Amino acid sequence: AQSVTQLGSHVSVSEGALVLLRCNYSSSVPPYLFWYVQYPNQGLQLLLKYTTGATLVKGINGFEAEFKKSETSFHLTKPSAHMSDAAEYFCAVSAYNNNDMRFGAGTRLTVKP
Amino acid sequence: DSGVTQTPKHLITATGQRVTLRCSPRSGDLSVYWYQQSLDQGLQFLIQYYNGEERAKGNILERFSAQQFPDLHSELNLSSLELGDSALYFCASSDRDRVTEAFFGQGTRLTVV
Repeated sequence: AQSVTQLGSHVSVSEGALVLLRCNYSSSVPPYLFWYVQYPNQGLQLLLKYTTGATLVKGINGFEAEFKKSETSFHLTKPSAHMSDAAEYFCAVSAYNNNDMRFGAGTRLTVKP
Repeated sequence: DSGVTQTPKHLITATGQRVTLRCSPRSGDLSVYWYQQSLDQGLQFLIQYYNGEERAKGNILERFSAQQFPDLHSELNLSSLELGDSALYFCASSDRDRVTEAFFGQGTRLTVV
């Protein structure tokens, strides 16, 4: 079975600073990896995904993530934080041979002016 | 707007009661997934249906059941409700049996009093 661990339940950055949200996964088969964002009182919105191919994945709103198999990581980054980035971010894992998506505990991002 | 519709948005009911949550997937999507989001458990996968058939089961209690109808909408039935069942229930849909991408609805907030 797959699982993900998100390091840090809360991350706080200043506006304009680098955003780095950490995600490590566990999978016995090549994983599919996802980052979702959840704004208050809303559903989850897909930011980006990795299934196969290029390991650096670009998503919406300037976010990107790099799949590093050797480190079993899929960290999410954004060069310059904006106030509108404040939300909860979830890393998730699936695989070609299963039917569900397992989520991490989430990281709440706060952006300070 | 993800294209996934969940009704109702809010539901307040008493312990011991039964409720039904409804989900209409995106047009063309054959898979429906149900998730429960609570403060202490995070996002938990409950169950998946693909084209009317149950495909995967997660941490779904015996008091809970789901089905997917020929028009592909799905219902999650929760019975003998307990205070601990209070949570956000999300439905997601995708176009395939295996999860390469999933689109989430806005959720139904269930409060059991």
